[in-house]
Amino acid sequence: KAGVTQTPRYLIKTRGQQVTLSCSPISGHRSVSWYQQTPGQGLQFLFEYFSETQRNKGNFPGRFSGRQFSNSRSEMNVSTLELGDSALYLCASSEPGAGYTFGSGTRLTVV
Amino acid sequence: KQEVTQIPAALSVPEGENLVLNCSFTDSAIYNLQWFRQDPGKGLTSLLLIQSSQREQTSGRLNASLDKSSGRSTLYIAASQPGDSATYLCAGPPDAGKSTFGDGTTLTVKP
Repeated sequence: KAGVTQTPRYLIKTRGQQVTLSCSPISGHRSVSWYQQTPGQGLQFLFEYFSETQRNKGNFPGRFSGRQFSNSRSEMNVSTLELGDSALYLCASSEPGAGYTFGSGTRLTVV
Repeated sequence: KQEVTQIPAALSVPEGENLVLNCSFTDSAIYNLQWFRQDPGKGLTSLLLIQSSQREQTSGRLNASLDKSSGRSTLYIAASQPGDSATYLCAGPPDAGKSTFGDGTTLTVKP
């Protein structure tokens, strides 16, 4: 059974640009949630999608957005990148009762 | 709203010691709890998922328990090794999109 796949693994962008990250969940999992993790910080919840609908959203500016497709794959977009957006972005897929399974993450560096 | 707390934030022990990591949660209606390990710069690896009906799960040198009445879960690591050095996080169930992760305990096992 394939795990959670995040692409790309590493990304370098310039301030002001936008970026799109992708997450393919475990087959059959309908929920995908996204997290930001910066050095020394815990997991900061961005948002969660379930069956193509955003169910909950964390406390991040509107520059952070996401969507989920009918095959449960999810994308996260950050517009007008700032230096502070440099972080490890993690996604997790889940189903009720099954717990979370995380991808390896995308390391975003904004220069 | 479920809140998850982990104490201590950091722990350093000599190799070979048995140790316990603590996780407290506020909503006793929790139906499962999951423990993760995170190595620096990496994603989260699931260690154990305890369903409320099970109360305890074991995997090798790891044993996790769940006590809903007291709002606590513990992760017991037997005969610690330097390779156990990592950050350990606990999480409540992915319930309706609410993120319920603790901030983690960073464990250092000294040779």
